[in-house]
Amino acid sequence: SQTIHQWPATLVQPVGSPLSLECTVEGTSNPNLYWYRQAAGRGLQLLFYSVGIGQISSEVPQNLSASRPQDRQFILSSKKLLLSDSGFYLCAWTTSSGQHNEKLFFGSGTQLSVL
Amino acid sequence: GQQLNQSPQSMFIQEGEDVSMNCTSSSIFNTWLWYKQDPGEGPVLLIALYKAGELTSNGRLTAQFGITRKDSFLNISASIPSDVGIYFCAGQETSYDKVIFGPGTSLSVIP
Repeated sequence: SQTIHQWPATLVQPVGSPLSLECTVEGTSNPNLYWYRQAAGRGLQLLFYSVGIGQISSEVPQNLSASRPQDRQFILSSKKLLLSDSGFYLCAWTTSSGQHNEKLFFGSGTQLSVL
Repeated sequence: GQQLNQSPQSMFIQEGEDVSMNCTSSSIFNTWLWYKQDPGEGPVLLIALYKAGELTSNGRLTAQFGITRKDSFLNISASIPSDVGIYFCAGQETSYDKVIFGPGTSLSVIP
């Protein structure tokens, strides 16, 4: 069966420090991968998605970047965190057929607090 | 761009009561989805709808794909404490488009 792992679960970082959040998927090949951010009490904002290794699409201009070094690995990074980067970050995957599958499977999230 | 609106924004209900929430969009969708997020977790898909007028159930949950294709409804019957969480509607214009999420309805169940 397929599983998705996200870590760390909780992170407290000072302003200006770098960030690296990792997400891996097991049990499937060539998934579509997604990073979402959920601000407190708000909905899900799509940040990045990837349909293949090295292929990254950015949805909103921001202080963050994403990379997909391996088929089932998706990394969210920042060189210098801002206060506004605080939030709940969710990784998700779908099966891929060259298009966006509607059935998203989410990880358990990373709660990031930038102080 | 595409936007989804959900109402109500939050609900406080007594255990055993029925719940209704809805979602509207500014454009026509071919697919409507309802996800639930437990506190501190990622959302989980509850129901997927693919046809205008479609009514689909998952246990005590029932969702409908609106006839206009611009709205969807979710009903929960006989609520229980584990129904607590945030309910997101989501839609997709075509299978080539990204899934768009609504802002969520927060449900609290009072025992």
